Amino acid sequence: DGGITQSPKYLFRKEGQNVTLSCEQNLNHDAMYWYRQDPGQGLRLIYYSQIVNDFQKGDIAEGYSVSREKKESFPLTVTSAQKNPTAFYLCATFSSFRGYTFGSGTRLTVV
Amino acid sequence: AQTVTQSQPEMSVQEAETVTLSCTYDTSENNYYLFWYKQPPSRQMILVIRQEAYKQQNATENRFSVNFQKAAKSFSLKISDSQLGDTAMYFCAFMKLSYGQNFVFGPGTRLSVLP
Repeated sequence: DGGITQSPKYLFRKEGQNVTLSCEQNLNHDAMYWYRQDPGQGLRLIYYSQIVNDFQKGDIAEGYSVSREKKESFPLTVTSAQKNPTAFYLCATFSSFRGYTFGSGTRLTVV
Repeated sequence: AQTVTQSQPEMSVQEAETVTLSCTYDTSENNYYLFWYKQPPSRQMILVIRQEAYKQQNATENRFSVNFQKAAKSFSLKISDSQLGDTAMYFCAFMKLSYGQNFVFGPGTRLSVLP
């Protein structure tokens, strides 16, 4: 089955620490996205990539970084510059027919 | 820029009844898609239904149907024979077809199906 795998499901970060969230897809989709969701809120776009070795900032990119070295992978690093990183993070791929396909998400908590 | 509005933060419906969730959007685009996504307590985002703007016929998927009014920029979701498993957040989303970041989500409606 084609799909998107996000790992880990739960992640804990200490103050001042960088952490990386993994997103892998085998759907052969070119476009990949990272969204942040706060409790009771909608989705806000962090970064997106429409092709390998290229990515664009979304609405709330500050304190985050990404890379896109392979079509299948789009990891998100939450840096120490992100002052309020506790949230639910969703990775998605995009196709013009299906729209978004989402991963199962990563819950990040600062401890 | 496109915006998507969902004016009902929360709704409830009795099991087996019908409920309609509203969505309006603002765009100057002529070609676009509209989507409804469901997010149950598991937090997994699931595509419920999609509608192409060039199609006049309203999309249906089993118990889910939409009322797409292009001139009014309205895209409501009707859930018939509501089931307990329909309890979730529902997000309306707009997608333009031109290049670039092209997806906009509404703020969501929390639907509770009551036994």
